[in-house]
Amino acid sequence: DVVMTQSPLSLPVTLGQPASISCRSGQSLVHSNGNTYLIWFYQRPGQSPRRLIYQVSNRDSGVPDRFSGSGSGTDFTLKISRVEAEDVGVYYCMQATHWPWTFGQGTKVEIK
Amino acid sequence: EVQLVESGGGLVQPGGSLRLSCAASGFSISSYDMNWVRQAPGKGLEWVSYMSGLTGSTWYADSVKGRFTISRDNAKNSLYLQMNSLRDEDTAVFYCARGHFSVWGQGTTVTVSS
Repeated sequence: DVVMTQSPLSLPVTLGQPASISCRSGQSLVHSNGNTYLIWFYQRPGQSPRRLIYQVSNRDSGVPDRFSGSGSGTDFTLKISRVEAEDVGVYYCMQATHWPWTFGQGTKVEIK
Repeated sequence: EVQLVESGGGLVQPGGSLRLSCAASGFSISSYDMNWVRQAPGKGLEWVSYMSGLTGSTWYADSVKGRFTISRDNAKNSLYLQMNSLRDEDTAVFYCARGHFSVWGQGTTVTVSS
């Protein structure tokens, strides 16, 4: 199975400051069709997950442009340009290139 | 409005069975790949199973292979997860999700305990 390793697992942030979450995969996430199926999700306590980013860097409709995804191969990053109070929660990366699909452990973002 | 609504969760004894349902509205599940994802209490997300909208092919996580079966009823526009030989470690909130997880349901809770 492809292991997805997120860091840090806990991220205290200051409102208005940038934040960055790393996600590394145990093998390349480039699919045989040339696409890279790396997805980022956000989850507030007690709520269903919400997809933020798909195929590394494509932001979902309604996702603020302060969120951006980047990376390639085995190394990916989710960045928040200026953290807002509503961004508090847990962020997960996931790979949907290799079966079985696998999630990272999650990164808890909280306000300092 | 595109929506997924899960149901069928509950309390079941170890070794028992349960069938989860996911009713879709606003789109046809036969046109989309569909998934089940679960989250144990206080833990992260775990992908459980997938069904292709086009071919009906299925995939499972190793932890549920041979015990869980994903299926769909296009006429009822619903996705199902038949869970047999349930274990304590299957206790979780189960979510259905469309495609590459663009739409999620609210989840249904499964508790396996004696």
